[in-house]
Amino acid sequence: GNSVTQMEGPVTLSEEAFLTINCTYTATGYPSLFWYVQYPGEGLQLLLKATKADDKGSNKGFEATYRKETTSFHLEKGSVQVSDSAVYFCALTTSGTYKYIFGTGTRLKVLA
Amino acid sequence: NAGVTQTPKFQVLKTGQSMTLQCAQDMNHNSMYWYRQDPGMGLRLIYYSASEGTTDKGEVPNGYNVSRLNKREFSLRLESAAPSQTSVYFCASSGGWTSLATNTGELFFGEGSRLTVL
Repeated sequence: GNSVTQMEGPVTLSEEAFLTINCTYTATGYPSLFWYVQYPGEGLQLLLKATKADDKGSNKGFEATYRKETTSFHLEKGSVQVSDSAVYFCALTTSGTYKYIFGTGTRLKVLA
Repeated sequence: NAGVTQTPKFQVLKTGQSMTLQCAQDMNHNSMYWYRQDPGMGLRLIYYSASEGTTDKGEVPNGYNVSRLNKREFSLRLESAAPSQTSVYFCASSGGWTSLATNTGELFFGEGSRLTVL
């Protein structure tokens, strides 16, 4: 079945540090890939998405590239801010299904 | 601009009590979902409704029932609550796979309902 694996957290960084959160997937067919962010006490919000291989999703300085050859969708940001402290979830869905599969989430803490 | 609205936001139950979580979306989405979120477990799908009039089990359906009341509303019922059902519950909706290119295919989430079963 389809699955998503993302790196364990928590990840603690200093402000302006470079961020990478790894995400790999297994899927039949051609999945669409997503990163969601959850701020404390809130629901999940879409951060970015990519719907086909080699697409790059980007938003708020975050980027992720859909790599079919390595089945990966790693999230990156060049310079994190304290306000980026949140839990980040990688997710996928595939054509012909209605299910969205989520990773376990990676907590990011950014220190001033 | 309501999006997905869940009620209640907080609830404390005793073991064996029943309750219903309500969810409504105003985006004319076909598909709706109930997830639970537990520490270290990520989000697990309880039930989903691909379209009005249909419901299907997800990963962890035991102890829950759902009703897709109409296109807007999708409720989750706990008939006899157990401490293992203590969790944060999220409702979500989606325009479906064919809508991904128009920014409605992704999931839109409510703010969550925190349930404690004593």
